[in-house]
Amino acid sequence: EDKVVQSPLSLVVHEGDTVTLNCSYEVTNFRSLLWYKQEKKAPTFLFMLTSSGIEKKSGRLSSILDKKELFSILNITATQTGDSAVYLCACNYGGATNKLIFGTGTLLAVQP
Amino acid sequence: EAGVTQFPSHSVIEKGQTVTLRCDPISGHDNLYWYRRVMGKEIKFLLHFVKESKQDESGMPNNRFLAERTGGTYSTLKVQPAELEDSGVYFCASSAGLATLSLYGYTFGSGTRLTVV
Repeated sequence: EDKVVQSPLSLVVHEGDTVTLNCSYEVTNFRSLLWYKQEKKAPTFLFMLTSSGIEKKSGRLSSILDKKELFSILNITATQTGDSAVYLCACNYGGATNKLIFGTGTLLAVQP
Repeated sequence: EAGVTQFPSHSVIEKGQTVTLRCDPISGHDNLYWYRRVMGKEIKFLLHFVKESKQDESGMPNNRFLAERTGGTYSTLKVQPAELEDSGVYFCASSAGLATLSLYGYTFGSGTRLTVV
């Protein structure tokens, strides 16, 4: 059965810390992996990764995919309270649908 | 650019009643998806429209759920009759297609929180 597993389920850090969020997957017909940030309402898109070893970066956030070991990490450096959110990892498994299979998410709380 | 709009944002109905959720995708997005998050579980795929056609409805739980996308614009998801286990947050997402996914991903709406009592 296809699955996406995120760890940790939750963590609490202080402003300025660096955090690493993990996502492992077992997905047939894997096409890509996406990271989303969900604060109160709609998940907002962060990255889509399709190739191994190529880091994607946006400000203090970066992510990389390892298609051999079937995992991805999302790094956030110099965390701020505004980074507090649920971070969702999802795999796009191909075919005509391009539907997503999600992990349960990691709840990040950044304390001042 | 307007985002994906869903309404209502919240709905509380009694078991056995009917509820209709609506999603307005980003204009020009041919692909429209419905997902659902049941409390404590991950977000799960329900179905996918390409324009007005159902591309994949393998995630629909049962025949109490009916989705439509008349004219290939907005979509509705009707639950009739609602059961307690239908409670959850229903998300809609849209995309223009594969060419734009790496830049914008799928754009999600804020969801409709459905509570069946």
